[in-house]
Amino acid sequence: SQQGEEDPQALSIQEGENATMNCSYKTSINNLQWYRQNSGRGLVHLILIRSNEREKHSGRLRVTLDTSKKSSSLLITASRAADTASYFCATDSGGGADGLTFGKGTHLIIQP
Amino acid sequence: NAGVMQNPRHLVRRRGQEARLRCSPMKGHSHVYWYRQLPEEGLKFMVYLQKENIIDESGMPKERFSAEFPKEGPSILRIQQVVRGDSAAYFCASSQGGNSPLHFGNGTRLTVT
Repeated sequence: SQQGEEDPQALSIQEGENATMNCSYKTSINNLQWYRQNSGRGLVHLILIRSNEREKHSGRLRVTLDTSKKSSSLLITASRAADTASYFCATDSGGGADGLTFGKGTHLIIQP
Repeated sequence: NAGVMQNPRHLVRRRGQEARLRCSPMKGHSHVYWYRQLPEEGLKFMVYLQKENIIDESGMPKERFSAEFPKEGPSILRIQQVVRGDSAAYFCASSQGGNSPLHFGNGTRLTVT
């Protein structure tokens, strides 16, 4: 079953606006990561938040984690056309040896 | 400082042929992961390897698929007797292990005709 599920599936906003994407997961985690994928390319790691952290910032990115609700959000402030991509959350299962489990992603389109 | 290198970038095979996908991890990384991605879908974990060892192959189909990461050379994902349903993008990622982030290659797009 899907561990991480992003919401919404697709999001289209105007350049300069903020974009918020959400991720829900089912089992306990050690950490949660967000990745970006441009069309036809591999995934690029954006940010990792540990289970004992509630919020983390990196440039225009802000990630929150609520382990009681098993959910995370990714906020991109002051969006740019170059932010157009698919965004995936990924969780570890806590076992350490397994690969990350990815959701289906949110496809973000920034209208110039 | 090259990142994760995958080749070929595109691979076309007829049904019944074999597909071999190669992945060279980032320098200093000894952990390799293979994922499969269908259009408009997320990545599905297939297998996790360290040098000469398969650590977790729980996502790998039981038949026709195999993976290796030899002491020397790249990691290989091998698909025997390919079928149309094998058409997908296959991504390799490497890491230093533990909870360190994964670094992805640009994938191999396999098309089975």
